[in-house]
Amino acid sequence: AQSVTQPDIHITVSEGASLELRCNYSYGATPYLFWYVQSPGQGLQLLLKYFSGDTLVQGIKGFEAEFKRSQSSFNLRKPSVHWSDAAEYFCAVGGRGNTPLVFGKGTRLSVIA
Amino acid sequence: EAQVTQNPRYLITVTGKKLTVTCSQNMNHEYMSWYRQDPGLGLRQIYYSMNVEVTDKGDVPEGYKVSRKEKRNFPLILESPSPNQTSLYFCASSPMDRGGIYGYTFGSGTRLTVV
Repeated sequence: AQSVTQPDIHITVSEGASLELRCNYSYGATPYLFWYVQSPGQGLQLLLKYFSGDTLVQGIKGFEAEFKRSQSSFNLRKPSVHWSDAAEYFCAVGGRGNTPLVFGKGTRLSVIA
Repeated sequence: EAQVTQNPRYLITVTGKKLTVTCSQNMNHEYMSWYRQDPGLGLRQIYYSMNVEVTDKGDVPEGYKVSRKEKRNFPLILESPSPNQTSLYFCASSPMDRGGIYGYTFGSGTRLTVV
C-alpha cells in the first residue's frame, strides 16, 4: 500500500524568502503525485500534480514541485513567499487503477514579516 | 461553476441526536468520498462511493453511514453522534479511478461539534 510522509509539521519563513516543503512517498509503481493547499477555514485546493513526463511541474500561485524517483520525493518549492501563502499543505500519492489517494499529515506554513 | 457543496458549514449538536451532512457535486463525477480532519492526524477517509448504489468503508467508518442514491449526492449520516466525532469533515469527488490522474475536488468543509 502506498504511503506519504511529510517530515515537517510546521515551518516558518520570512516573507520574500524561498520555500521548500518536503514530501516522501512509498509506492510500488509510477505514482501520481499531488500537492494541495488548505487556507484557514477553507477546503483543499489542488496546487499541482505529476503523473508523467517532465519531472518539474508548475502549479498555481507560483508553486512548483520536482519528482525525484531515486529519492521517492516530490518536494514543493516557491522562490519568494507571500504572506497569503500561510496555510496547511498536503502531499498526496495515488496510482493507476483502483487506487485511492493517500494523504500526508500536512505541513503548516507560517509567514512572518 | 464546477464545485462540491457541503452543508452545513458549521454544526453544533448534542450527543445522540441524529444528523446528516449533505454533499453535492455538479461535475458528474463517479467517485465521491468523505474525510475527517483532526489535528496531528491529517485526513482520514470515512467512506467512499465508486458510483450510484456502490459504497465502501474507508479507514474510520465506525459511527457513520452513507448512501448514494443519485450520482450527484453523497450524504454523511451520524445516527447517534458522540463527542469523539467532533471534527472537520470534507467531501471530495473525482471523475473516476478513485482519483487517478485527476485528483480530488473538495468541498469547503463542515465543522461539527458534538457536546
